[in-house]
Amino acid sequence: QKEVEQNSGPLSVPEGAIASLNCTYSDRGSQSFFWYRQYSGKSPELIMSIYSNGDKEDGRFTAQLNKASQYVSLLIRDSQPSDSATYLCASMDSNYQLIWGAGTKLIIKP
Amino acid sequence: NAGVTQTPKFQVLKTGQSMTLQCAQDMNHNSMYWYRQDPGMGLRLIYYSASEGTTDKGEVPNGYNVSRLNKREFSLRLESAAPSQTSVYFCASSYTSGGADTQYFGPGTRLTVL
Repeated sequence: QKEVEQNSGPLSVPEGAIASLNCTYSDRGSQSFFWYRQYSGKSPELIMSIYSNGDKEDGRFTAQLNKASQYVSLLIRDSQPSDSATYLCASMDSNYQLIWGAGTKLIIKP
Repeated sequence: NAGVTQTPKFQVLKTGQSMTLQCAQDMNHNSMYWYRQDPGMGLRLIYYSASEGTTDKGEVPNGYNVSRLNKREFSLRLESAAPSQTSVYFCASSYTSGGADTQYFGPGTRLTVL
């Protein structure tokens, strides 16, 4: 059974601090990984994708991938109250289907 | 562009009733998907259509049928609704199903089966 695991949270972070979200996956054949953000009552929207080991930065967001450890993370710098949402991690399997984690709820405290 | 649209937004059914969830996209995407999202669980793929004229089962297809009516539209049908099908249903689309194309989601349909 292919799985993507995330801590459900909530993860509470002070405004302006760095939020660190983590995800592990079971399928060693996965090559592509995604972070989606989902506000309460809304649909998921893509924040970042990452395909190679190492870091990928986009504005305040940094995705990190370690294929040897089967670990993906998302760092949010200078966290804002508007970053409060559930963050979904997904991996793409060998059939090009996304396997989704249950999400981590992030709360940014003003 | 409206992106991905879904109707209805909310629906309450009684056990045994049938209904069709409609989805349309105006982004000229080839691939479309139906997911369900339940509390505490990740999105689970019900059916997908890699291209017009093709449909395939996902992780949880039992109790559902789909129709790819044309390139724009992909509908999901519940023939005999059960309480276990109470969920939020999302339609999504992407340019292709291979590689790592971004999936764009519709606003969702909140379905309750009594």
